[in-house]
Amino acid sequence: DSGVTQTPKHLITATGQRVTLRCSPRSGDLSVYWYQQSLDQGLQFLIQYYNGEERAKGNILERFSAQQFPDLHSELNLSSLELGDSALYFCASSVEGQGAGSPLHFGNGTRLTVT
Amino acid sequence: KNQVEQSPQSLIILEGKNCTLQCNYTVSPFSNLRWYKQDTGRGPVSLTIMTFSENTKSNGRYTATLDADTKQSSLHITASQLSDSASYICVVSAGNYGQNFVFGPGTRLSVLP
Repeated sequence: DSGVTQTPKHLITATGQRVTLRCSPRSGDLSVYWYQQSLDQGLQFLIQYYNGEERAKGNILERFSAQQFPDLHSELNLSSLELGDSALYFCASSVEGQGAGSPLHFGNGTRLTVT
Repeated sequence: KNQVEQSPQSLIILEGKNCTLQCNYTVSPFSNLRWYKQDTGRGPVSLTIMTFSENTKSNGRYTATLDADTKQSSLHITASQLSDSASYICVVSAGNYGQNFVFGPGTRLSVLP
């Protein structure tokens, strides 16, 4: 058990809808990362937060947004959903904001299916 | 452009055999290199983390090597078990503070009885 909790585990929704994915980082970890993994593809970095502030941005669409709350949990909001957004969405956390030497601890993901 | 390549794309071996997975990277500035194991439908789990000065790091039956000069890394699995069936992902941490993680596409390993 990594200590990172993601909810929900599965989500099925229709095109054009909006969903929110939630992540609770491992106790003591200040940094949260969001990744997207499409079928049989590698992990694509979306965005990173450190102690409530946005730290780095990857290939995140404008339709997607995220935030980290004072209790350090994070939410990823996906809007105007398209079929191509169907994927596994992983959250990871680490102790260090720069992630220089500490391992990333991954949750087990939210599987999003857009129909 | 920062990039991580892995080979082979997939590999099938018999239980008890050894195997070696390869990772080549063009990432600058290099901070550290990590290997992760990802079971199907699960989140990746860290196996090893190596900095520039480390050549080898072991974690049980997993041994990672790093050649920073040639920008190559390998992951050697000894005496494979059925539970080793998974994707193995090479991740290079870039940036002066290692803040940018560049993920490889992974090698899918299948261990057969």
